[in-house]
Amino acid sequence: GQQLNQSPQSMFIQEGEDVSMNCTSSSIFNTWLWYKQDPGEGPVLLIALYKAGELTSNGRLTAQFGITRKDSFLNISASIPSDVGIYFCAGNTDKLIFGTGTRLQVFP
Amino acid sequence: NAGVTQTPKFQVLKTGQSMTLQCAQDMNHNSMYWYRQDPGMGLRLIYYSASEGTTDKGEVPNGYNVSRLNKREFSLRLESAAPSQTSVYFCASRIGTVQETQYFGPGTRLLVL
Repeated sequence: GQQLNQSPQSMFIQEGEDVSMNCTSSSIFNTWLWYKQDPGEGPVLLIALYKAGELTSNGRLTAQFGITRKDSFLNISASIPSDVGIYFCAGNTDKLIFGTGTRLQVFP
Repeated sequence: NAGVTQTPKFQVLKTGQSMTLQCAQDMNHNSMYWYRQDPGMGLRLIYYSASEGTTDKGEVPNGYNVSRLNKREFSLRLESAAPSQTSVYFCASRIGTVQETQYFGPGTRLLVL
């Protein structure tokens, strides 16, 4: 089946630092989505990308849909403690394929 | 609107027991999904229903069955639970199947002894 490679697997950063994570695929996707999962909760959508090359922001979060349609990037600027959680990328065809997640820890 | 709701929140089963996980959405979405989440594996699709009356296998369907009872409800059944089915199960729904964002329930934590 299709696989999404997400990196890094985990990150430990200090409050105020910027964060970058990415997702790559062997297949082309029509849509890229980025989700965040807090402990004990279901994933919540952060950003949706619909066009190759698209750059979209949601507050301190910025995501890009790669021009090859096989990758996507998520950046978080000026991290804060509530950014802690697991971030998942997902590629969409007729159903979502999820990456393995990036676990983010933010230290004050 | 409650969004996507799941019951139960927690369940402990013995090997060989059966149970049904319930999912309901009140957003009038056509498509519904069942995932399992294991450490380091992300979310893997078990079964999905693109519309009322249809169901299809996902990536890891073995050991599970589903029923799309109506547009609102999509249940997941374990006929004979195995320890390998210990996981967190998430239900999700979305309006259609293309370019539509997907909304998740809070999850069901299942332990099979």
